[in-house]
Amino acid sequence: QKEVEQNSGPLSVPEGAIASLNCTYSDRGSQSFFWYRQYSGKSPELIMSIYSNGDKEDGRFTAQLNKASQYVSLLIRDSQPSDSATYLCAVNDGGANNLFFGTGTRLTVIP
Amino acid sequence: NAGVMQNPRHLVRRRGQEARLRCSPMKGHSHVYWYRQLPEEGLKFMVYLQKENIIDESGMPKERFSAEFPKEGPSILRIQQVVRGDSAAYFCASSPVSPIARGRKSYNEQFFGPGTRLTVL
Repeated sequence: QKEVEQNSGPLSVPEGAIASLNCTYSDRGSQSFFWYRQYSGKSPELIMSIYSNGDKEDGRFTAQLNKASQYVSLLIRDSQPSDSATYLCAVNDGGANNLFFGTGTRLTVIP
Repeated sequence: NAGVMQNPRHLVRRRGQEARLRCSPMKGHSHVYWYRQLPEEGLKFMVYLQKENIIDESGMPKERFSAEFPKEGPSILRIQQVVRGDSAAYFCASSPVSPIARGRKSYNEQFFGPGTRLTVL
């Protein structure tokens, strides 16, 4: 059974701080990793993808992958109230056709 | 902006009726995935289709649910004889490429449509 685990939160950070979101996965064969943002009542929006160990930066977002520890994280620098949403971690093992999602971490950025 | 389109956005059905959900993939994408999100739960994969082919339906309930992606027109997720437990948000996603065989990298970035919120009375 492939599992993707996230702390459900809520995670609260003050505006301007760094928000750190974590995700672990059970399948060592996993090869592709994604972070989606989902506002309440809306659909998931892809914000980051990462395939290799290390860091990948895109604007205020940094994804970190450690395959040995089966761990992927998302850092949001200079958090804004508009970042308040649920962040979904998704994993694909390359052999399956679908993404396995965690239940999401709810982030609140306090002005 | 030719993103993934889904309709209807909201659908209300009474128990025993049929629900038809439609999805048009993003321009240039030929791979469609359906997911279901129950209240306070994560997204669960249902089915993966290419034009005229069901590739993986391992997440589909065995009864009442079916999906198709005809040569022309949108992909359709069909739920027959709906029950209250079918109430959920149904999301369609599309990707430009398929997952590659085991052992190779998969660049399976999937982009989601706005979803159809199904309510069964």
